[in-house]
Amino acid sequence: DTGVSQDPRHKITKRGQNVTFRCDPISEHNRLYWYRQTLGQGPEFLTYFQNEAQLEKSRLLSDRFSAERPKGSFSTLEIQRTEQGDSAMYLCASSPPWGRGATNEKLFFGSGTQLSVL
Amino acid sequence: QQQVKQSPQSLIVQKGGIPIINCAYENTAFDYFPWYQQFPGKGPALLIAIRPDVSEKKEGRFTISFNKSAKQFSLHIMDSQPGDSATYFCAASLSLRAQKLVFGQGTRLTINP
Repeated sequence: DTGVSQDPRHKITKRGQNVTFRCDPISEHNRLYWYRQTLGQGPEFLTYFQNEAQLEKSRLLSDRFSAERPKGSFSTLEIQRTEQGDSAMYLCASSPPWGRGATNEKLFFGSGTQLSVL
Repeated sequence: QQQVKQSPQSLIVQKGGIPIINCAYENTAFDYFPWYQQFPGKGPALLIAIRPDVSEKKEGRFTISFNKSAKQFSLHIMDSQPGDSATYFCAASLSLRAQKLVFGQGTRLTINP
C-alpha cells in the first residue's frame, strides 16, 4: 500500500512528557499537511509544508508544537510538555505537486496517530 | 467568519433512501468545497468536491448541490447502502492549491438494511 503512513498509531503519555509523531507522505507528494481531530469534531488545520518549507501555521500550533520536514520527504510533529488538552487524533495528509492534473486537488489522509495524555 | 456549520449531527436512513447533509458558510472568499467520508479508526477520504462557479456536481451516487447566493451546499447520497454508514464532513478552503481546510462538525450517518 502506498498511502500516507503515520507512526505510531497510538501513543499514551503522561502530562509533561514530550512526544514525536512521524508522517511518511505518498511518494512524490511535495505538499504535506498536519491536522488535529478531537472526538466528535471535524479536523482542524495545524500546519502546511511545500517541500521542506513550512508555509503556514495555525494559531492552534502553540509554542509547544513544532513540525519539521527536513528533506522534503517525511515530516515529524513534536509536542513538548504535553497537556491533557493535547489528547486528540493527529492526522497527516499529502497531495501531489500543483499542476499534475485532476488529482492535484485531492488530499490523501493517513489513519492518524491517536494521542492520549494522562 | 471562518466557520462552516453542518447539519444534522446524526442521520438514520433506510437502505435505498436519499440522505441529505447540509452545510453553510460565511466567508465568501472560500473557493473550494469538498466532502469527506470517515470510517472509525481511519482518516478522512475525499468523496466529492465542488468549486463555487458550479451549482451541481455528480459522481456516481454522490451529488453536491451548491447555492452561492445562500452560501450553502449539500451532499445527497442516492440509493444509500449500509456500507455508506460513516461520518461525513463538509469543508471549505480559501485556496485549492494550499488546502487549509475548515471542516464542519460532521454528520454520523447510519443506513439501516
